[in-house]
Amino acid sequence: QKEVEQDPGPLSVPEGAIVSLNCTYSNSAFQYFMWYRQYSRKGPELLMYTYSSGNKEDGRFTAQVDKSSKYISLFIRDSQPSDSATYLCARGLMDSNYQLIWGAGTKLIIKP
Amino acid sequence: DTGVSQDPRHKITKRGQNVTFRCDPISEHNRLYWYRQTLGQGPEFLTYFQNEAQLEKSRLLSDRFSAERPKGSFSTLEIQRTEQGDSAMYLCASSLGGQQETQYFGPGTRLLVL
Repeated sequence: QKEVEQDPGPLSVPEGAIVSLNCTYSNSAFQYFMWYRQYSRKGPELLMYTYSSGNKEDGRFTAQVDKSSKYISLFIRDSQPSDSATYLCARGLMDSNYQLIWGAGTKLIIKP
Repeated sequence: DTGVSQDPRHKITKRGQNVTFRCDPISEHNRLYWYRQTLGQGPEFLTYFQNEAQLEKSRLLSDRFSAERPKGSFSTLEIQRTEQGDSAMYLCASSLGGQQETQYFGPGTRLLVL
């Protein structure tokens, strides 16, 4: 079992829809999570990070962590065609602060 | 632009040749990371520097790979005797370090080994 798992997609939704992207993880150590967006042939761009359970909101984006079920989610409201990209989740361990463990990414397509 | 920069953006080489990539991190960032990414996968950690010290190397990093950060600023990643399996996107990231380990990525160098 990979430490961080993501459905590779592609996930295709109409413009304006609410998008839900998810990751599961297997390690229970104290850790933090990040969501990155990666456009084709570009480097990953940080969207959000969170340390604790619960929700964190930033504009149209909401990150949610459920540590009891080891599940992290990214919600995108009012999705736009420019949101079409691959979304990567990453996990970092507080006692190993040099390395992130990455999911494979979910490809998202927003149809105009 | 004060983000992470990488050079070159693209490199095509023949098998057996040596290649060198450069990364310039965000200026106040102490930590610098190299990753490799292939199509449909997340980044794979290769190595990381705290200032000029190389503190960790992945077992993925064979002895054909070497990285340096001589003055704690820019870094180079060299691949000797390239193989077709080295074809990938090579990503550099930097961070301030400490509790908030937010890594900022460069645009990557796409390597194709023929």
